[in-house]
Amino acid sequence: AQSVTQLDSHVSVSEGTPVLLRCNYSSSYSPSLFWYVQHPNKGLQLLLKYTSAATLVKGINGFEAEFKKSETSFHLTKPSAHMSDAAEYFCVVSPPGFQKLVFGTGTRLLVSP
Amino acid sequence: KAGVTQTPRYLIKTRGQQVTLSCSPISGHRSVSWYQQTPGQGLQFLFEYFSETQRNKGNFPGRFSGRQFSNSRSEMNVSTLELGDSALYLCASSFGQGPIDEQYFGPGTRLTVT
Repeated sequence: AQSVTQLDSHVSVSEGTPVLLRCNYSSSYSPSLFWYVQHPNKGLQLLLKYTSAATLVKGINGFEAEFKKSETSFHLTKPSAHMSDAAEYFCVVSPPGFQKLVFGTGTRLLVSP
Repeated sequence: KAGVTQTPRYLIKTRGQQVTLSCSPISGHRSVSWYQQTPGQGLQFLFEYFSETQRNKGNFPGRFSGRQFSNSRSEMNVSTLELGDSALYLCASSFGQGPIDEQYFGPGTRLTVT
């Protein structure tokens, strides 16, 4: 079975400092991995996706993630946090051949001035 | 291009009642998936429809059902509501024909069961 583990339930950073949200995956096959963001009272928005084309994936709003097979990790990073980045972030895996997303438990990012 | 729309946005029901939620996908999308989001269980996959057929199903009891119409709009029904069914129900649409198909989510329907 495919699953993801988000290692931190909450991450606090100051505006202008780097962001690191950690995710490890478990998959028998080459996985499709995603990061989604959910702002309060809004739906989920896709930040980026990994589909085996390149290990370093660039997404929207300055976010990027690196797929490391040896570490089974897919951590999300951003060089400089903005107040508007405060939200809940989900690491997601999709089993091959299925239109189905398996979500991690989420990491709430808090950004202080 | 209009996004995924869900109606109603908020709903309050009593235990034992049934409820129907609606989802209109992005134009051209033929796949509609439903997810339940609760503080305790997180985001869980309910089922996915493609061209009016259920293609995938999650681990939910039979009280949860859905259907898809010829225009790709989808409805989800929950019968004999329980307190634990209180959740945010999210709908997502995609073209549904590729192995890694981006899913676009609606704002959700917040269901409260009292």
